[in-house]
Amino acid sequence: GAVVSQHPSRVICKSGTSVKIECRSLDFQATTMFWYRQFPKKSLMLMATSNEGSKATYEQGVEKDKFLINHASLTLSTLTVTSAHPEDSSFYICSARSGTSGINTGELFFGEGSRLTVL
Amino acid sequence: GNSVTQMEGPVTLSEEAFLTINCTYTATGYPSLFWYVQYPGEGLQLLLKATKADDKGSNKGFEATYRKETTSFHLEKGSVQVSDSAVYFCALGGGSQGNLIFGKGTKLSVKP
Repeated sequence: GAVVSQHPSRVICKSGTSVKIECRSLDFQATTMFWYRQFPKKSLMLMATSNEGSKATYEQGVEKDKFLINHASLTLSTLTVTSAHPEDSSFYICSARSGTSGINTGELFFGEGSRLTVL
Repeated sequence: GNSVTQMEGPVTLSEEAFLTINCTYTATGYPSLFWYVQYPGEGLQLLLKATKADDKGSNKGFEATYRKETTSFHLEKGSVQVSDSAVYFCALGGGSQGNLIFGKGTKLSVKP
């Protein structure tokens, strides 16, 4: 099946610094990738939709200046948490749809997730 | 808008017990329905899916049937194993951006 790889899996940073998380589709091209944030005991919340070659579409309440998303190629999207603060500590997950899955099934393939801890 | 309601956990079962995790949804149209599983320390993996009413998805002994009349997609397994311990997410397709909409997840712990 389609493979999505996310890096780093864990990162610890100091408050005020920026952290970049990469999401790669390894064996397929993904024109669209999704970034989710997972809170403890809560559902995955969609943060933004990353579109190759264009600006990301952010969900209501998500600060686009804090969570910078770049989708530079058909296999790579990055999420940069700028000026991170302890409340940004969370589990961030990217996902992508393989072109072979098609729109009808809507199946997404997920990265392993990145655990961010801001001290 | 579209939404998913999933039974709260955690659920603790003994090995070989029967499992049911309830999932109901609210949606316009006929979205695809999914169950994803997240094992400890790992990302989400697709467990099974159904794309239309009355479809039954199945995988690894798990089953779920797309019930339009009750807007449900309950996950079942006849005999759970310790290795089934994980968090299970019900999801539906058709988000405004083509994304999936997830339930809150149900943590399952299976004891030997």
